[in-house]
Amino acid sequence: KNEVEQSPQNLTAQEGEFITINCSYSVGISALHWLQQHPGGGIVSLFMLSSGKKKHGRLIATINIQEKHSSLHITASHPRDSAVYICAVAGGSQGNLIFGKGTKLSVKP
Amino acid sequence: DAGVIQSPRHEVTEMGQEVTLRCKPISGHNSLFWYRQTMMRGLELLIYFNNNVPIDDSGMPEDRFSAKMPNASFSTLKIQPSEPRDSAVYFCASSFLVNNEQFFGPGTRLTVL
Repeated sequence: KNEVEQSPQNLTAQEGEFITINCSYSVGISALHWLQQHPGGGIVSLFMLSSGKKKHGRLIATINIQEKHSSLHITASHPRDSAVYICAVAGGSQGNLIFGKGTKLSVKP
Repeated sequence: DAGVIQSPRHEVTEMGQEVTLRCKPISGHNSLFWYRQTMMRGLELLIYFNNNVPIDDSGMPEDRFSAKMPNASFSTLKIQPSEPRDSAVYFCASSFLVNNEQFFGPGTRLTVL
């Protein structure tokens, strides 16, 4: 069993829809990261969180430490949100990230 | 700031050749990470440095891989000899502290024929 599981693997949405991507992990962590990888290949850090909720524009990330679960929400989705979204966890004081397999999101106009 | 800089962006080489990938982290960041991404295995940490010292190299596949960070502004990842299964995109990332937000370079796409 992978230490970091994401769902769904693939997601197709219509422009304007509310999107949720889920991440579950099985190890103790100090922080959870959400990353975005565009079709061109570049990786951008969206959020790093260890508790509660963070919001940036139309993106919201939540984490429940007790349930070892995090969600990434996109409100009013747009075709430019089409990308692979990757969840990664960091254990303790270590810098080594453990990555999920990613969720490929396609938003149709 | 220019962000994390990696070179080359693309590398095509023949099996058996030595390959050197280069990374310049963001100025002031003291942690540097090397990752490999393949279709089969996704993103994997190879090694990371804190204050130029290698902290965890457990992800380095085998002795053919080596990484150095001679100073705070430069790191190399070397593969010698290269094999076709090393074909992947190699990312370098840096952060201010080891468990802070990481900033990724554009990656080096390596193809070993």
